[in-house]
Amino acid sequence: AQKITQTQPGMFVQEKEAVTLDCTYDTSDQSYGLFWYKQPSSGEMIFLIYQGSYDEQNATEGRYSLNFQKARKSANLVISASQLGDSAMYFCAMREGRRETSGSRLTFGEGTQLTVNP
Amino acid sequence: DSGVTQTPKHLITATGQRVTLRCSPRSGDLSVYWYQQSLDQGLQFLIQYYNGEERAKGNILERFSAQQFPDLHSELNLSSLELGDSALYFCASSERVGGYEQYFGPGTRLTVT
Repeated sequence: AQKITQTQPGMFVQEKEAVTLDCTYDTSDQSYGLFWYKQPSSGEMIFLIYQGSYDEQNATEGRYSLNFQKARKSANLVISASQLGDSAMYFCAMREGRRETSGSRLTFGEGTQLTVNP
Repeated sequence: DSGVTQTPKHLITATGQRVTLRCSPRSGDLSVYWYQQSLDQGLQFLIQYYNGEERAKGNILERFSAQQFPDLHSELNLSSLELGDSALYFCASSERVGGYEQYFGPGTRLTVT
C-alpha cells in the first residue's frame, strides 16, 4: 500500500494566487514527521516545511504553510501568492517513528508538478 | 545551497562497470542518507549511516554498497552496473540519528549506456 499519496500529477495556478497541493499518508505509528520538498528543473531537492505528528499548530514557513489534518491523515501544502519561480515538482514525504531512534528514512510520494502562469 | 556536496555531478559509464559516488554532509551533521530517483521507482531510500555506522537499509541492491568515513563523508559504490541503474542519486544529511530535517545535496546523475 502507498504510504504517501499525491493525487495531483500536475497543477496550474496563476501568479499571485494561492494553491494547495494535496498529500495523504498512511502510518500506524503515533510519532511521525511530514515534510515537503521542492525540486526545480535543475534537479536539487529543497526542503520547504516540516510538521511533527504531535505539533498542535500547523507549520508555516514564509509563503508556505502545511494544512495538517491528523484524523484525515492529510498534510496539504499551501503556497500563498504564487511566483513564477514556484514552478517545480513538489514532493510530500514522511518519516515514521520517533526521530530520536534509528532509521529515519523518508518515504516520498510521486510528486506534483506545479506550473505558475504569468 | 544546502551545504551538502556531492561529486561528481554527472557520470556516464558502461554496463558492467563500477562507480563511486561521494558525499560530504553539512558541517556538524552526523547522519548521511542515500536516495535514488528514477523514472520507474520515484524517490527511494537506499541506506543511512550515522557517525560511521550503518543505521538503516532500504531498497538497496546487493551490487550497491556504502560506507561513512571518520571524517563523516560517505561513498556509495555501485558495481556491475545495468541500464536500469541510470538515475539521480541524492545524498542527504541531518544532525542526529533521527534527523529533524534532511538537507539534500545537488545529486549525481548517473547514466549507464
